[in-house]
Amino acid sequence: GENVEQHPSTLSVQEGDSAVIKCTYSDSASNYFPWYKQELGKRPQLIIDIRSNVGEKKDQRIAVTLNKTAKHFSLHITETQPEDSAVYFCAASPVFTGGGNKLTFGTGTQLKVEL
Amino acid sequence: DTGVSQDPRHKITKRGQNVTFRCDPISEHNRLYWYRQTLGQGPEFLTYFQNEAQLEKSRLLSDRFSAERPKGSFSTLEIQRTEQGDSAMYLCASSAPYEQYFGPGTRLTVT
Repeated sequence: GENVEQHPSTLSVQEGDSAVIKCTYSDSASNYFPWYKQELGKRPQLIIDIRSNVGEKKDQRIAVTLNKTAKHFSLHITETQPEDSAVYFCAASPVFTGGGNKLTFGTGTQLKVEL
Repeated sequence: DTGVSQDPRHKITKRGQNVTFRCDPISEHNRLYWYRQTLGQGPEFLTYFQNEAQLEKSRLLSDRFSAERPKGSFSTLEIQRTEQGDSAMYLCASSAPYEQYFGPGTRLTVT
């Protein structure tokens, strides 16, 4: 089955700096890679995703890059703000024959943005 | 609120009791998923429905766990003879087709 590794486990940055979180996956059949933000006691919130037919996707201050050959993908957050502080999870999934997908999550990165 | 909803939000039960959780997906989503999340970990896949058909189950889903989605709308997850190791957050998600949106979860505590 799929195995997703995520680094670092904790990340502390100054407000306004950039943050980068990296993930690797093992299953070459995986072709969908979402990122979730989870605040304490809240549900995981989908913030951005990428499919294997593109190498990069950007949405305002958030971008994700994918290297299929190396089987790794990264989340980039620019101009960090205190409200970006949360746990971030990467995930990878193949797509089932009938559609739908089974997400395998990384172990999470606790991001802290300091004033 | 048109997002995924779950009921109850919290459940405390004694070991050996049966519990049932409910998930109502986003109305136009035909795919529904159950995950389990323990403290400090990412969600772990349990099972997946497309409409009323249960198409995949994780080996994490032991014989004590059963899930249904009888009319292709809401789903229930039942745990029989609960054990302390079942204590976790049980999350439901729905999608159409790929982007999975999660509900608030049901936190189960087995004493």
